[in-house]
This record gives sequence, structure tokens and C-alpha cells, in this order.
Amino acid sequence: ETGVTQTPRHLVMGMTNKKSLKCEQHLGHNAMYWYKQSAKKPLELMFVYSLEERVENNSVPSRFSPECPNSSHLFLHLHTLQPEDSALYLCASSQARQANGYTFGSGTRLTVV
Amino acid sequence: AQKVTQAQTEISVVEKEDVTLDCVYETRDTTYYLFWYKQPPSGELVFLIRRNSFDEQNEISGRYSWNFQKSTSSFNFTITASQVVDSAVYFCALISNSGYALNFGKGTSLLVTP
Repeated sequence: ETGVTQTPRHLVMGMTNKKSLKCEQHLGHNAMYWYKQSAKKPLELMFVYSLEERVENNSVPSRFSPECPNSSHLFLHLHTLQPEDSALYLCASSQARQANGYTFGSGTRLTVV
Repeated sequence: AQKVTQAQTEISVVEKEDVTLDCVYETRDTTYYLFWYKQPPSGELVFLIRRNSFDEQNEISGRYSWNFQKSTSSFNFTITASQVVDSAVYFCALISNSGYALNFGKGTSLLVTP
């Protein structure tokens, strides 16, 4: 049990579908992150939420839409994705602006067909 | 700008061999933190170590050891007497006081064969 839970673990969706990825942490952290991990590429930071406010958006396409309703939950809403969006999506949490205590979830393996 | 470079894409060793994974970083900040993570096939990132920029002491934890050298901006990771269970992708990462999140290298895939 990592303390950061991501669901679903695997997702296959068509390009016209709408789906959401969920992340939940029970560590009392106040910052949450979405990372994308594609084959042969480094982990790319997508979104940062600190104290439930989005503080960084690394030029992610609008077909990815994050939502952070409270400090324990983070969503990534997906719509009209492309096959190149297939990747492992990792959620992490930490104390805001502190360099220790990053905890990652197991990720959602997304395949866009 | 911050950057982490892991030049070794894949390494293959035979069990019981020692192996060193290289990590070179770039940052303009004087206060920063370096990390190593292990990613087994299950996908989860497992934290291994964190060092801050003011602590250049090398660290040993069992078969793992880390060599932090600010003069060469390197933070290398050595596994002694490797085992098959060490097979995974290993990531080096950096965060500085001016950043919001971890910046990762591309990772090194380590395969340990019996």
C-alpha cells in the first residue's frame, strides 16, 4: 500500500470517448501531481496542484483536463484523445514546495485505439 | 533551467556483478535535492534516496551506494553484487527551491540475468 491509489490500473478507450483517471492520497499531503510516462521518454510533468490550486500547467493539450476538488483527490479528465496519448499516467503527492516525501501511485496504463 | 541526464539507456549484467548507473544534472540554483527511484515492471515508482545539495557525503544502504559529487554535477548509483530482483528501470530526479516538481532523467533500464 503506497498511500497513493490510482484507478483504474488499465484503460482502453476510443478516440471519441470521454473517461477520467482518479488519484487518491491518504498521506495528509497538500500537493498533487500528474506525470505522463511514454515509451522511451522521461517522465513528463503535466499538472501541479498545490493547496488545491493549479500552479503549473506544462503546455498540456486541452484534451487533458485536471480537477482537484480537495487535497486528497485528483482527477484527469480525458476526451478526444489521440493514439500518441497512450502512456502510463502517474499520480504523486507531497507536501507543497517540500522536496521530500514524494509518493507515487502505481499508475494508469492508458491505451487509445 | 533544470535538466537530468542519464546517458545509459540499458545495462545488462550477470548476477553478482557490480553495476553503476550514472546521473548528471544541471541547475542554476544553489539549493536543490537529488533523488533516485526504482520502477519495477508493476509501474510504481519506489523511492530509494534523497540528497540535498549541501550534503556531499556518500551513502551506503545494504548493496546500494550513492556517490554525490558537486564538482562534476553527478549523483551516481552503484549496486553491489547485483541480483535478478534488481532488474528495473532506475530514474534520477532533481528538484530545486525555485521549482514546483521533480524533473526526471530518461531512466536506465537494468537487466540482471542469472
